[in-house]
Amino acid sequence: NAGVTQTPKFQVLKTGQSMTLQCAQDMNHNSMYWYRQDPGMGLRLIYYSASEGTTDKGEVPNGYNVSRLNKREFSLRLESAAPSQTSVYFCASRASGGNFQETQYFGPGTRLLVL
Amino acid sequence: AQTVTQSQPEMSVQEAETVTLSCTYDTSESDYYLFWYKQPPSRQMILVIRQEAYKQQNATENRFSVNFQKAAKSFSLKISDSQLGDAAMYFCAYRSYYNNNDMRFGAGTRLTVKP
Repeated sequence: NAGVTQTPKFQVLKTGQSMTLQCAQDMNHNSMYWYRQDPGMGLRLIYYSASEGTTDKGEVPNGYNVSRLNKREFSLRLESAAPSQTSVYFCASRASGGNFQETQYFGPGTRLLVL
Repeated sequence: AQTVTQSQPEMSVQEAETVTLSCTYDTSESDYYLFWYKQPPSRQMILVIRQEAYKQQNATENRFSVNFQKAAKSFSLKISDSQLGDAAMYFCAYRSYYNNNDMRFGAGTRLTVKP
């Protein structure tokens, strides 16, 4: 049981390049999330998917797109990377219903550097 | 939108002593969840403790306990018998009961444990 996994762990991009961050969970969770973490700030929600087939914007969605490929996988795409997108990106998942619906489980993070 | 404030960017504690980390939040909602997450140097986000706003009893998990003051919108974390492994960033987080996909984080408190 790996929990939430993310690839890659670290990536360097040049301004204007594109890339996709991958996230997968094996806990059969319905909801999945993408956050970014910047120095001196807490995590901020970029996009989320409440269930397979749905996605919604969070607090800071500009410059990103997401795809909920299936129940397990939720990817984050940067179409044209900008230095302002240098950050650490976390994926998370959450069960829906039951006593544990309020807990989010996080992946190990992806550190992205845009030059 | 709800906001979460952690007024202590850094705290330090002597090993085996007790330390309290502060958190306040701003909301007009009556039902919500509050969390403390720990982020060690590995960057993994680890749930420490959670509190449902409708419960008057403060949550406790082994050496970790909270002081939840709903009227004051305060949610502090007390760590007893501090251990070297407690050194980490600690994030306070708020999640609405009604919009349970939007979690707001504070900026974090860096805890140092001195041997």
